[in-house]
Amino acid sequence: QQQVKQSPQSLIVQKGGISIINCAYENTAFDYFPWYQQFPGKGPALLIAIRPDVSEKKEGRFTISFNKSAKQFSLHIMDSQPGDSATYFCAASYMRFGAGTRLTVKP
Amino acid sequence: ETGVTQTPRHLVMGMTNKKSLKCEQHLGHNAMYWYKQSAKKPLELMFVYNFKEQTENNSVPSRFSPECPNSSHLFLHLHTLQPEDSALYLCASSHEVGGLGANVLTFGAGSRLTVL
Repeated sequence: QQQVKQSPQSLIVQKGGISIINCAYENTAFDYFPWYQQFPGKGPALLIAIRPDVSEKKEGRFTISFNKSAKQFSLHIMDSQPGDSATYFCAASYMRFGAGTRLTVKP
Repeated sequence: ETGVTQTPRHLVMGMTNKKSLKCEQHLGHNAMYWYKQSAKKPLELMFVYNFKEQTENNSVPSRFSPECPNSSHLFLHLHTLQPEDSALYLCASSHEVGGLGANVLTFGAGSRLTVL
């Protein structure tokens, strides 16, 4: 199966710091790359998404950087807050998901 | 109710039991999905239904049997499960597959299944 590889598995950041999560994909046919945020006891919720014809997309404190030639994309969370503590999943379309990154933001 | 609702939230069953998971969406979507979420593993796409028709079966064992009577309801019938089937089963919906909105999934909170 075509995979989406996500790293790191877990991440601890101080309040106000920058959180960075990376993903790599294999299949160039994918044309939509979303990030989902999941809190305990809840289903994943769409956070931000990008299409491969765009190199960067920013929504508030959340930014996706996309490198089509390297088949990599990343999520940057600026000014990380304790309320951002959750598990983050990258995905390629609805078909392939990364294994998740558990983010903890310390006060 | 709004969004995607899954019932039951928790289910414990023996290997010989037969049970069903239910998913209902009130978003007017035409595509519905089942995913399996296991600890530290990627979400695994199991089934996709588009306008009530199954369009994808991701090599799922036959002990999992989906049913989609209409675009708002999706079931996952379970029988003769194995302990390794214990996981969180997530339902999602979206606009129709093949359309621009197909990639934007709305997930339910999941059904936590434990197989003894």
